[in-house]
Amino acid sequence: LAKTTQPISMDSYEGQEVNITCSHNNIATNDYITWYQQFPSQGPRFIIQGYKTKVTNEVASLFIPADRKSSTLSLPRVSLSDTAVYYCLVGEFSGGYQKVTFGTGTKLQVIP
Amino acid sequence: EPEVTQTPSHQVTQMGQEVILRCVPISNHLYFYWYRQILGQKVEFLVSFYNNEISEKSEIFDDQFSVERPDGSNFTLKIRSTKLEDSAMYFCASSEPGQVDYEQYFGPGTRLTVT
Repeated sequence: LAKTTQPISMDSYEGQEVNITCSHNNIATNDYITWYQQFPSQGPRFIIQGYKTKVTNEVASLFIPADRKSSTLSLPRVSLSDTAVYYCLVGEFSGGYQKVTFGTGTKLQVIP
Repeated sequence: EPEVTQTPSHQVTQMGQEVILRCVPISNHLYFYWYRQILGQKVEFLVSFYNNEISEKSEIFDDQFSVERPDGSNFTLKIRSTKLEDSAMYFCASSEPGQVDYEQYFGPGTRLTVT
């Protein structure tokens, strides 16, 4: 499983765009990149997933450069409710599901 | 929106006792998982389950642990003889048959406290 490295924590003011970058230098050809969000005392929640280039959904964008050795989760105009831990996961789909390992994540604190 | 449910929300047990944590996955999902998170630490994979058998398990999932899908709706995690270090939040998750763009849906968790 590819190892991921993220900043331990980030602060941002409300209304700003937040970019969280994850490094995964040994990503394999069949690996996909998935981001989850976790609020205190809750289970992780899927945010977005991608393989290459850019993916956008209603809550976030995911930017993946051509070499795929890193990825950036972009949260537009964050609010206080976006305060959470964000996990970058990398793994292949095998046996019907993505094999992933959660790292320590990035604790995002949104400030009023 | 469909969701994974877990019971109980909090379980307190004495060391050496058996506990069963229950989960109801989303109804059309076929893959089921258990994770745990010790307070302040990262989420750790325990086991995945498909077609009534374990697909994969981690080193944490030793002989003290077992999983079962006793009927068409429940998915359980049993810890035979709890230890203090089993105190953690246990999350159940489920997913649809494996395709790209899938996601694992996590339940709210069961907080297990072993005294």
